[in-house]
Amino acid sequence: GIQVEQSPPDLILQEGANSTLRCNFSDSVNNLQWFHQNPWGQLINLFYIPSGTKQNGRLSATTVATERYSLLYISSSQTTDSGVYFCAAFRPNFGNEKLTFGTGTRLTIIP
Amino acid sequence: DVKVTQSSRYLVKRTGEKVFLECVQDMDHENMFWYRQDPGLGLRLIYFSYDVKMKEKGDIPEGYSVSREKKERFSLILESASTNQTSMYLCASTLAGGAYEQYFGPGTRLTVT
Repeated sequence: GIQVEQSPPDLILQEGANSTLRCNFSDSVNNLQWFHQNPWGQLINLFYIPSGTKQNGRLSATTVATERYSLLYISSSQTTDSGVYFCAAFRPNFGNEKLTFGTGTRLTIIP
Repeated sequence: DVKVTQSSRYLVKRTGEKVFLECVQDMDHENMFWYRQDPGLGLRLIYFSYDVKMKEKGDIPEGYSVSREKKERFSLILESASTNQTSMYLCASTLAGGAYEQYFGPGTRLTVT
């Protein structure tokens, strides 16, 4: 099956700083999503981005499908951005329609 | 907005009890999933369902069963709860085909004592 790797595993930043999170995947994908897991454990959808670039406020994401990576940018970080960020990918595999998740990047924003 | 709800946020059960976790989605999605999340192991798929009464085993189905009698509802059943099933359980749903956005419920943190 497809492999999904995220980097860095941990990131500690001062409030106001910008950050870039990376997601590499081992094969072509039909679906690539970014999630933020909040302190209560819920996975919040950030982007559905199998290719191209999207922006939502201070967050933006770019997926370069031909080079098999995606980047999540967070600008002007706030303490509420803290948490774990996951990327997840899907590639058809004998009818198994599950997402394969990376191991996450834990982001800590210090006031 | 897509909404996926789970019956409990926190649940404490005793070893050997039968446990039901319920998940409901309101977007007419064909596919529904149950994952568990454990520190250091990430999210692992337990079961998924692509239609009413249809189910497929995921990566770690042992000790679990599922039920999908209606399109909007997908239940995870722990026939005889054990301490190693203490975990965060996350339900998700999506349209059929796999290439569509998947949405998650708020999660159920289950403790088995």
